[in-house]
Amino acid sequence: GQQLNQSPQSMFIQEGEDVSMNCTSSSIFNTWLWYKQDPGEGPVLLIALYKAGELTSNGRLTAQFGITRKDSFLNISASIPSDVGIYFCAGQPGNQFYFGTGTSLTVIP
Amino acid sequence: GAVVSQHPSWVICKSGTSVKIECRSLDFQATTMFWYRQFPKQSLMLMATSNEGSKATYEQGVEKDKFLINHASLTLSTLTVTSAHPEDSSFYICSARYRRFGTYYEQYFGPGTRLTVT
Repeated sequence: GQQLNQSPQSMFIQEGEDVSMNCTSSSIFNTWLWYKQDPGEGPVLLIALYKAGELTSNGRLTAQFGITRKDSFLNISASIPSDVGIYFCAGQPGNQFYFGTGTSLTVIP
Repeated sequence: GAVVSQHPSWVICKSGTSVKIECRSLDFQATTMFWYRQFPKQSLMLMATSNEGSKATYEQGVEKDKFLINHASLTLSTLTVTSAHPEDSSFYICSARYRRFGTYYEQYFGPGTRLTVT
């Protein structure tokens, strides 16, 4: 299936730093979702976005639906060790969701 | 959020045997469920889309006779790996589509099943 361009592929940051990652597509999406996956578990939905320009927060996480509807951003503020994992974006242009390739986050205490 | 369960969480089977994995939406009805396969440190690979009451739609390259999918009710989809071989060893994850409102959907994942074929 179609894959979204997600960057960066991996990040190594110090505890307390802020994190930014993004996803882009060649198609216009009407929904963007952000997930976190811990090792050996299924992805957990973090934030859902439905409108262009929408900015939504979930604790230290903030995600935005790009105005062009072809991109989305996820920011994590003041990272902590439990933020470690793989973050996936997902976009829906129609009836099916397409997933990004993931951003692997490592937080160094 | 909506909850999706998956059973078993891990299974070890001998080569040539069949394994069934169940995916249930616990607090909502899911007309559409998805089955993914994930290799270590890789993204999710969609195997098939399961629609309640109809045949599953398989992605290109996925053998429909090997990976049998049944979506018999609005809360249950099953994936059966038939005549399993070691190369079928992987992490299998299901997800269910949840209608948030109007034509806007979210997708919730099960916890995954680790299959090891010996």
